[in-house]
Amino acid sequence: QKEVEQDPGPLSVPEGAIVSLNCTYSNSAFQYFMWYRQYSRKGPELLMYTYSSGNKEDGRFTAQVDKSSKYISLFIRDSQPSDSATYLCAMNLGGRRALTFGSGTRLQVQP
Amino acid sequence: GAGVSQSPSNKVTEKGKDVELRCDPISGHTALYWYRQSLGQGLEFLIYFQGNSAPDKSGLPSDRFSAERTGGSVSTLTIQRTQQEDSAVYLCASSLAGQNTGELFFGEGSRLTVL
Repeated sequence: QKEVEQDPGPLSVPEGAIVSLNCTYSNSAFQYFMWYRQYSRKGPELLMYTYSSGNKEDGRFTAQVDKSSKYISLFIRDSQPSDSATYLCAMNLGGRRALTFGSGTRLQVQP
Repeated sequence: GAGVSQSPSNKVTEKGKDVELRCDPISGHTALYWYRQSLGQGLEFLIYFQGNSAPDKSGLPSDRFSAERTGGSVSTLTIQRTQQEDSAVYLCASSLAGQNTGELFFGEGSRLTVL
């Protein structure tokens, strides 16, 4: 079993829809949780990060962490065609340690 | 440049040959990471450098893989006697020392195809 599980999709939604992306994890020691966005043939870029349980909002994006359930989510409101990309969840144990990534969910927003 | 630079962007090689992939991190970033991304897969950690030392090389898949970093800057990932299963995109990332938040800055990757 992988440490971080993520539905690969693809997920196709119409423009303006609310998108929900999710990951589950098995290691309760993970402390920091991130979402990266990766456009085709580009490197991932950090979208949001959170520490501990709770919500964090940034514009159209909301990241949610539920450590008791070992479950994290990313919500995208009013989705745009430019949001079409692969979304990777990532987490780490803190300190200068490598991130553990999910396999990514490919999102397609149809105009 | 302002971002992480990787070269070559594409490399096609024959099985059994050695390849070298280069990463030039963001200036001032002392932490450097190599990841591998196979088709449809997430990022697989390979090795982490802090300065010139590699405190975590647990992700290197075999002794055919090695990496070094000199001058606290440029890093080279070497794959000896390449195999077809080594075909992937090799991504390099850098970050500021002491950052616990996991904000890694990635290059665009080196796409390796082993025939």
